Amino acid sequence: EAQVTQNPRYLITVTGKKLTVTCSQNMNHEYMSWYRQDPGLGLRQIYYSMNVEVTDKGDVPEGYKVSRKEKRNFPLILESPSPNQTSLYFCASSLTRDSNQPQHFGDGTRLSIL
Amino acid sequence: AQKVTQAQTEISVVEKEDVTLDCVYETRDTTYYLFWYKQPPSGELVFLIRRNSFDEQNEISGRYSWNFQKSTSSFNFTITASQVVDSAVYFCALIPISSGSARQLTFGSGTQLTVLP
Repeated sequence: EAQVTQNPRYLITVTGKKLTVTCSQNMNHEYMSWYRQDPGLGLRQIYYSMNVEVTDKGDVPEGYKVSRKEKRNFPLILESPSPNQTSLYFCASSLTRDSNQPQHFGDGTRLSIL
Repeated sequence: AQKVTQAQTEISVVEKEDVTLDCVYETRDTTYYLFWYKQPPSGELVFLIRRNSFDEQNEISGRYSWNFQKSTSSFNFTITASQVVDSAVYFCALIPISSGSARQLTFGSGTQLTVLP
């Protein structure tokens, strides 16, 4: 089954404790991206990746890092999480960089930073 | 940079009523894709439709229809004979595809639709 898998689905942690949210897709998609969803703001793009070893900042990259060492994986790293990063996070992928395919979204990761 | 505006934060209708969700966008790119996604209470994002900026034909899929008007930069979504299962947050989104543009998908802030029995 074609899917985008995020882990964990829920996480409560404390300020400053490094965490990684994993994202994996099994569709051989080139394009992957991360979004955060906050009330009243919709989804805002954090980072995206056109292909392996190619990543770019989205609209709200501060406080986040990503890597794309393999095509299927695109982890989101919070080196020193802060409470303002409490949010619902979505990973997405699409077939090519030409964005003519709908983005497939993971089921979301709800992060609470205390 | 682009911007997507969904001015309706929340809409409530009674089952079987028709409802239209508005979406207005701004972009300097001449070619782009527009999307609608549905987020039911369970939280996942469900793709509904993609529209190329070259194609201004309206589209109908069952009870759903979309009205794309490039002249007014709008891409409105109508649900006919709404049902309780249509209750969800609906997002409109845009991604430019002009050569050299950043492939950033920009979302509106969403419209919470509640369909009452």
